[in-house]
Amino acid sequence: QKEVEQNSGPLSVPEGAIASLNCTYSDRGSQSFFWYRQYSGKSPELIMFIYSNGDKEDGRFTAQLNKASQYVSLLIRDSQPSDSATYLCAVKPNNAGNMLTFGGGTRLMVKP
Amino acid sequence: SAVISQKPSRDICQRGTSLTIQCQVDSQVTMMFWYRQQPGQSLTLIATANQGSEATYESGFVIDKFPISRPNLTFSTLTVSNMSPEDSSIYLCSVGWGSAGYTFGSGTRLTVV
Repeated sequence: QKEVEQNSGPLSVPEGAIASLNCTYSDRGSQSFFWYRQYSGKSPELIMFIYSNGDKEDGRFTAQLNKASQYVSLLIRDSQPSDSATYLCAVKPNNAGNMLTFGGGTRLMVKP
Repeated sequence: SAVISQKPSRDICQRGTSLTIQCQVDSQVTMMFWYRQQPGQSLTLIATANQGSEATYESGFVIDKFPISRPNLTFSTLTVSNMSPEDSSIYLCSVGWGSAGYTFGSGTRLTVV
């Protein structure tokens, strides 16, 4: 079983819709969760991080964390074609020092 | 967050040769990591670069193949040794800020022919 799992996609949504990206993780003791966006040919850039159960909002982005169910999600409201990218979920496992474990990424396509 | 300068941005190398990738950070950071991203794949941690001591390698990666230097808190290098086409990947350095704010360099796209 992979430590961090994501649906590879592609997830296709129309412009203006809500895109929902999901991620599950295996280490129940994980404390920190991150969402990165990676455009083709570019390095990942941090969008959001979340530590506590519940929702965390930043502009059009909302991260949701449910530690009991071991999943974290990212909602993108009013999706734009510029949001088309691969979204990587990353987890800092409990006993992993400070390095991150990444999921395989979900490719999002926002169609005009 | 830190600003990371990584070079070279890309290179095409002959098999059997070595390439050294450099990562310079604009401030002192304790944690620095090297990742590999193979075509169409996610990121895999190669090693944690420790200042003043040997790097800590992940399973499947060895020092002879990927020697790492970390002479101070702002600089690190990763060497890909005795390259083969299977080493063609993007290599990324990353720095961490405690529990938040992991930043990546711009990456080095390596093609081995």
